[in-house]
Amino acid sequence: DAGITQSPRHKVTETGTPVTLRCHQTENHRYMYWYRQDPGHGLRLIHYSYGVKDTDKGEVSDGYSVSRSKTEDFLLTLESATSSQTSVYFCAISAPAGYEQYFGPGTRLTVT
Amino acid sequence: GENVEQHPSTLSVQEGDSAVIKCTYSDSASNYFPWYKQELGKRPQLIIDIRSNVGEKKDQRIAVTLNKTAKHFSLHITETQPEDSAVYFCAASELTGGGNKLTFGTGTQLKVEL
Repeated sequence: DAGITQSPRHKVTETGTPVTLRCHQTENHRYMYWYRQDPGHGLRLIHYSYGVKDTDKGEVSDGYSVSRSKTEDFLLTLESATSSQTSVYFCAISAPAGYEQYFGPGTRLTVT
Repeated sequence: GENVEQHPSTLSVQEGDSAVIKCTYSDSASNYFPWYKQELGKRPQLIIDIRSNVGEKKDQRIAVTLNKTAKHFSLHITETQPEDSAVYFCAASELTGGGNKLTFGTGTQLKVEL
């Protein structure tokens, strides 16, 4: 597996609380992505980053924000968690050459 | 935006048989088509990909075919084995200098029976 870690791996939180998920890579890749995975929907892109401080929205960005202050870290924040954000969140990385994406181990988030 | 449809949602085959999973896409600008395998509780793993300048690609028991005119691509697994049992996802994107924003299909649960 590519050098990607996610933290925490599991989290239970209450509706209305802020939550931050972290993705850390040791590959020095330029591109990083956040996806959510829900039954019946496959994986859907939330936000992505094409460099330090350079981010853009994906297909399902409402209710989420991201930040990337260092090449190796990409943070996903739920400003005020809702039950609809209960999901498994995957981070992915890719280098420009080839464009293959490699996924982290995932974070299971439950919002009660 | 891009829309990817994947069929079937479940597929059961006998060990040694072949399995075929099909996907269609809507955006003619898409030019990159990867396939991922995901075992229960694990991360998606890239197993093969194809770009639009190629019609077919093989890697041992796995092959992918692409029909740009019809906007569909397929995954073929030959001589299936129990360890092939997993969920398979297709995806599509337009490769640009701004990254690779994949749109995924909804997945196919493949079960290989002994």
